[in-house]
Amino acid sequence: ETGVTQTPRHLVMGMTNKKSLKCEQHLGHNAMYWYKQSAKKPLELMFVYNFKEQTENNSVPSRFSPECPNSSHLFLHLHTLQPEDSALYLCASSQHRDDEQYFGPGTRLTVT
Amino acid sequence: KQEVTQIPAALSVPEGENLVLNCSFTDSAIYNLQWFRQDPGKGLTSLLLIQSSQREQTSGRLNASLDKSSGRSTLYIAASQPGDSATYLCAVRLQTGANNLFFGTGTRLTVIP
Repeated sequence: ETGVTQTPRHLVMGMTNKKSLKCEQHLGHNAMYWYKQSAKKPLELMFVYNFKEQTENNSVPSRFSPECPNSSHLFLHLHTLQPEDSALYLCASSQHRDDEQYFGPGTRLTVT
Repeated sequence: KQEVTQIPAALSVPEGENLVLNCSFTDSAIYNLQWFRQDPGKGLTSLLLIQSSQREQTSGRLNASLDKSSGRSTLYIAASQPGDSATYLCAVRLQTGANNLFFGTGTRLTVIP
């Protein structure tokens, strides 16, 4: 088991719901990431936080809203999602921005 | 933009066979390259990371090589076992720029007992 945990592991939500994904890392890292993994597509980087500050937003729709209250926790707030947003959402962390990344187990999201 | 390609998309081998997975990339100005393993519905587990100044890295039955000039990396798995069945992803980090980590789509490996 890695030092990065994600909850919930599975989530089914309607298009009008609001939900949040949580990521926690126990590795003392300074950088955290959100990725989206859709079937038969490469992992897509969504957001990067370095020392709690967002350093990258890879043109992600505003219905996805990240929050990083401290270096150990990262949230992804979801609202008014679309069915095409169904995917595996992965969180990762690294000591510094370009260092080796450690991944959590992911949250399988289904939007109905 | 960096393009990362992994061929084949799927591979089945009998147990005990040695095998090679391939990763190619278009921009040779890389900072490092990382190989991951992903089990179905799970996150990624880092296997090996090769810095741009290195030619190979080894961990147990795994050996990863890097040839920047040709834009290629290989992951060699010796004496394959059914437990090696998973999807293997390579990720290339460029030397500069935001959003500088690019993933391939992976090779799904099945080792048949």
